[in-house]
Amino acid sequence: KAGVTQTPRYLIKTRGQQVTLSCSPISGHRSVSWYQQTPGQGLQFLFEYFSETQRNKGNFPGRFSGRQFSNSRSEMNVSTLELGDSALYLCASSWTSGRTGELFFGEGSRLTVL
Amino acid sequence: DQQVKQNSPSLSVQEGRISILNCDYTNSMFDYFLWYKKYPAEGPTFLISISSIKDKNEDGRFTVFLNKSAKHLSLHIVPSQPGDSAVYFCAARSGGGADGLTFGKGTHLIIQP
Repeated sequence: KAGVTQTPRYLIKTRGQQVTLSCSPISGHRSVSWYQQTPGQGLQFLFEYFSETQRNKGNFPGRFSGRQFSNSRSEMNVSTLELGDSALYLCASSWTSGRTGELFFGEGSRLTVL
Repeated sequence: DQQVKQNSPSLSVQEGRISILNCDYTNSMFDYFLWYKKYPAEGPTFLISISSIKDKNEDGRFTVFLNKSAKHLSLHIVPSQPGDSAVYFCAARSGGGADGLTFGKGTHLIIQP
């Protein structure tokens, strides 16, 4: 069974640009969550999508957005990039958006903003 | 305000001994706790979890203990093996799970031969 796949794995952008990251969940999983990992803040929740609907969003500015398609694949977009957006962006999937919280993570997309 | 705290950035343990990783939380609404393990260049992988209605959960070499009154949980690894060297994240979720998981900043466990 294929795991969570994230593309691209690495990318470099400059301030002011925008970026789109992609995530393909484990087959059959309908929930996709996104997290940002930085050395100073650790892993922080960005948002979760279930059946193409955003369930909730973490404490991030509106420059961070996402969407989920009917096949459960998800994308997240960051507009007007800032230096502080440099981070590892992790996508995680689960079968359902439930209480148990067991998430299956991808390897992440490492974004560097220059 | 950090709701989940792992106060030890790193921990070194001899192979074969017990590793104890600690985690404190402040949000009394958390009712489900998880531990994740992360190797370099890989995403975190789920290790073990515990519901707030329990005080202990065991899975092979891994045991998680929850002390609700102290808002403290710990992960015990016995015996520690070289492959256990990784960063361990404590995470918590409140009822409904709509707010995602709240993670600690991680503890880097190093198993010495």
